[in-house]
Amino acid sequence: GAVVSQHPSRVICKSGTSVKIECRSLDFQATTMFWYRQFPKQSLMLMATSNEGSKATYEQGVEKDKFLINHASLTLSTLTVTSAHPEDSSFYICSPRGYGTEAFFGQGTRLTVV
Amino acid sequence: AQSVAQPEDQVNVAEGNPLTVKCTYSVSGNPYLFWYVQYPNRGLQFLLKYITGDNLVKGSYGFEAEFNKSQTSFHLKKPSALVSDSALYFCAVRDGGGATNKLIFGTGTLLAVQP
Repeated sequence: GAVVSQHPSRVICKSGTSVKIECRSLDFQATTMFWYRQFPKQSLMLMATSNEGSKATYEQGVEKDKFLINHASLTLSTLTVTSAHPEDSSFYICSPRGYGTEAFFGQGTRLTVV
Repeated sequence: AQSVAQPEDQVNVAEGNPLTVKCTYSVSGNPYLFWYVQYPNRGLQFLLKYITGDNLVKGSYGFEAEFNKSQTSFHLKKPSALVSDSALYFCAVRDGGGATNKLIFGTGTLLAVQP
């Protein structure tokens, strides 16, 4: 399977600060990037979809000014949680996709806002 | 709209026994169905998929799934469960035929295999 690197795997931050999560596709070009959020014992909820070089499309109910997505290259996308609050604590997972590839997933990032 | 349902929150099975994790789907058009497994604090790992062809799909780690059009089901199966199979399993449907279309996930089923 394809190699996807998501970093960091865990992060603890203070309320009001911003956190950046990186997702890299190491052996294929990710034309599309999906960002998911997962609460404990729940399914993955799609937050946004981005295509390389374009603005992200956010799902209903997801604040685009709070969850900033950058997909400037075919191998790197970032999700920045701005002015984080405890309710933003969650497990975030990226899923890069290229043409003709299946869905691969990053290892996930456990964000805890204190 | 495409959707999948996993009716069981948890499935318990003894090691060595066969296991089944259920999934039903609702799609307009051709179904593109997937199974993924998630271990604690990890991303999802692909197990298998049904796009077209044989109704019995074989995947990773000895898992297989049977596509049943009349029952709109895509149950995951394994003839002999291992303790290491204990994990969270997700059924998913792709929203359209394009490889870059988004996946829609079921609620997940926790599989617990007792030694």
